[in-house]
Amino acid sequence: GNSVTQMEGPVTLSEEAFLTINCTYTATGYPSLFWYVQYPGEGLQLLLKATKADDKGSNKGFEATYRKETTSFHLEKGSVQVSDSAVYFCARMGQGAQKLVFGQGTRLTINP
Amino acid sequence: GAVVSQHPSWVICKSGTSVKIECRSLDFQATTMFWYRQFPKQSLMLMATSNEGSKATYEQGVEKDKFLINHASLTLSTLTVTSAHPEDSSFYICSAPDRGGSDTQYFGPGTRLTVL
Repeated sequence: GNSVTQMEGPVTLSEEAFLTINCTYTATGYPSLFWYVQYPGEGLQLLLKATKADDKGSNKGFEATYRKETTSFHLEKGSVQVSDSAVYFCARMGQGAQKLVFGQGTRLTINP
Repeated sequence: GAVVSQHPSWVICKSGTSVKIECRSLDFQATTMFWYRQFPKQSLMLMATSNEGSKATYEQGVEKDKFLINHASLTLSTLTVTSAHPEDSSFYICSAPDRGGSDTQYFGPGTRLTVL
């Protein structure tokens, strides 16, 4: 089927730690892939995206590379900060115009 | 960036009543909007696509008579949960796509519905 599976949380790290949140997808073809972030009390915001294989999306120190061989789009950041505490959602473009299919979300907490 | 608002941000109602949730694109027009439902610690599930000036398109398993969608203008879509029951309690989120041709979507902050 068409789905997105991401690393279960919650994830708790210390400030300046290295972060990886795994995300894999199933799809027909090569859909655009996204990471959205939801800060406490706010709506989802696009963090980064990649539209084709081998593309790397990056923003605010976060990176994710579209890997068609492993059907993955893992989110990484070299040194996290307390302000990165949020829920992170991996998503892919679904069937039909602009429909998004989301992973289950990963809650990240960064301690000072 | 573009802003999408939702009203109310939270609502508590009695079982059997109807609740209307508004989704507005504040600084851009949206011929299409999407309504999602998010259960605790779970993913967002697309419920329906709201189309300005025409009927909404519902995802499989979503009751269209239960979740009424109206997209009366280019900046407003409403979701009405009719005859609400406790199992309808959830977090409802809307989004509107960027009209510049990109595949970016802008999300509202969500509405927490609690049915007693």
